[in-house]
Amino acid sequence: GAVVSQHPSWVICKSGTSVKIECRSLDFQATTMFWYRQFPKQSLMLMATSNEGSKATYEQGVEKDKFLINHASLTLSTLTVTSAHPEDSSFYICSARSTGKETQYFGPGTRLLVL
Amino acid sequence: QKEVEQDPGPLSVPEGAIVSLNCTYSNSAFQYFMWYRQYSRKGPELLMYTYSSGNKEDGRFTAQVDKSSKYISLFIRDSQPSDSATYLCAMSALSNYQLIWGAGTKLIIKP
Repeated sequence: GAVVSQHPSWVICKSGTSVKIECRSLDFQATTMFWYRQFPKQSLMLMATSNEGSKATYEQGVEKDKFLINHASLTLSTLTVTSAHPEDSSFYICSARSTGKETQYFGPGTRLLVL
Repeated sequence: QKEVEQDPGPLSVPEGAIVSLNCTYSNSAFQYFMWYRQYSRKGPELLMYTYSSGNKEDGRFTAQVDKSSKYISLFIRDSQPSDSATYLCAMSALSNYQLIWGAGTKLIIKP
């Protein structure tokens, strides 16, 4: 099956710092990647959709200047949480989809804790 | 009303029981239906994928879609403690492939 990796798997940082999370599709070309966040005991919340080489499309209520998304290649997307604050602490999960396919394959997630 | 409704549970059943998980939806444009399994602190894992109506079987898992009732189900036979997880349904329309998610049902299989 399709494999998606995320790095780091967890990160602790101080308030005000920026954190970059990488999402890679290991065995397929991901023309579209998605970034989700998930709070404890809640379902996935889509933050943004990115197509390779294009600007990301953000969901309503998600600050694009705070959550910078780059999808520079068909196998890599990055999410940078800028000037992180404790309320940004969450579980961030990426998923990837190849052209013409409906299914998304998920990474293992990154747990972010902002102190 | 949410586009996709799913009972969050928890649903607790004894080992070996048949489990039935369900979602209802309101958008008749949905054509693709998926079930994902998510273990605690992990990303979701695709379990089953069906297009349009009908049944699909894979090992102990059976996915069922009833478009006339806007109702989908996931059945797990001979349930095991290792099946304990949160099960999320997701669906999308033909036009944009954007997934719409259910809230997830937490399943607990008691040994």
